[in-house]
Amino acid sequence: DADVTQTPRNRITKTGKRIMLECSQTKGHDRMYWYRQDPGLGLRLIYYSFDVKDINKGEISDGYSVSRQAQAKFSLSLESAIPNQTALYFCATSPRERRETQYFGPGTRLLVL
Amino acid sequence: AQTVTQSQPEMSVQEAETVTLSCTYDTSESNYYLFWYKQPPSRQMILVIRQEAYKQQNATENRFSVNFQKAAKSFSLKISDSQLGDTAMYFCAFKSFGNEKLTFGTGTRLTIIP
Repeated sequence: DADVTQTPRNRITKTGKRIMLECSQTKGHDRMYWYRQDPGLGLRLIYYSFDVKDINKGEISDGYSVSRQAQAKFSLSLESAIPNQTALYFCATSPRERRETQYFGPGTRLLVL
Repeated sequence: AQTVTQSQPEMSVQEAETVTLSCTYDTSESNYYLFWYKQPPSRQMILVIRQEAYKQQNATENRFSVNFQKAAKSFSLKISDSQLGDTAMYFCAFKSFGNEKLTFGTGTRLTIIP
């Protein structure tokens, strides 16, 4: 059983389209995160959420929005996709009893044409 | 701002040998955490090991151990008795206390040769 799932796993879209990436977790963790990974740049934080009503911007939030629908669900939206948003996107979670440690989902590979 | 540097883009080692991956970081913080994550071809990011900066004892997890040198700001990962399944990208990451962001290095691609 996967504790953190991401859908879709792969997606191809066109410039200007709106797209949503979804993340759900069965770990019961309260904190959730979205990162993107570009070749040669490691992972960078887009948004994070402490709970349903607490959402915060990360270092590269421009062009993205998020929604925390429930404790277990955290979605990332690209309102109008552009080619430089082509990347691998990861969702992560963090438990209350071990705040400093983040556990990652399997990733979504997004290609914007 | 914190930075994490992994100076070895690629490494390879024979199966069953020991390999050490290097990581250095720059910070003015005194309380922080360090991590090694593994990313196999399946692209999943898997936590390998974590270290609290306030602990002098080096962390170990089975065949994986770290050499944490706080004064030198160095955090290397040693893999003993390497196995084919250890083939992956390895990322060093830093997190300061009270900051939600993990800062990652650019990774080291490790290949275990049969």
